[in-house]
Amino acid sequence: ETGVTQSPTHLIKTRGQQVTLRCSSQSGHNTVSWYQQALGQGPQFIFQYYREEENGRGNFPPRFSGLQFPNYSSELNVNALELDDSALYLCASSGGGLAGNYEQYFGPGTRLTVT
Amino acid sequence: AQTVTQSQPEMSVQEAETVTLSCTYDTSENNYYLFWYKQPPSRQMILVIRQEAYKQQNATENRFSVNFQKAAKSFSLKISDSQLGDTAMYFCAFRIQGAQKLVFGQGTRLTINP
Repeated sequence: ETGVTQSPTHLIKTRGQQVTLRCSSQSGHNTVSWYQQALGQGPQFIFQYYREEENGRGNFPPRFSGLQFPNYSSELNVNALELDDSALYLCASSGGGLAGNYEQYFGPGTRLTVT
Repeated sequence: AQTVTQSQPEMSVQEAETVTLSCTYDTSENNYYLFWYKQPPSRQMILVIRQEAYKQQNATENRFSVNFQKAAKSFSLKISDSQLGDTAMYFCAFRIQGAQKLVFGQGTRLTINP
């Protein structure tokens, strides 16, 4: 069974640029959630995707957007990067769809640094 | 809104000792789940233990157990016979039944000393 994978591991971008982060869900999982973890803080929920549609969103501006593909993998896109976007971005996958009562399994994260 | 508070930013104990990490939460919901996650330096968030709010019995997983006090909205984690590999950040998290997002606390940095 393959776990959740994320790419790239690290990324450095300049303020104002755009970035795409990728996540492959665990085998058999159809739901992907994204979290932002600032240094020294707990993760904050960005949004969740189920059946290629956004299903629930946290308190993040529209410049944070995502996609889910038919194979359940997902992308997180951030436009017009700001210094405060520097963080660890975690992807978590789960099964069971919208029931929401299934465990979320996390990937190792992508460390984004905005200069 | 749901909030999770971990009042101990850092803790340190000797190997083989028992340590308890504290967590309180606030919600008006009656059906929810509570979790403890471990995040070692490798950054991967690993589920340690889970508690369903409707269950009165405290969850246990080998050396890990919880003390769930629903009325007090308290959910502490006890690690028995601590090991060097237990060194990590520990996050308490909460999720309403049927909801999508996990709400995390600020974390407790636990160091196990040899």
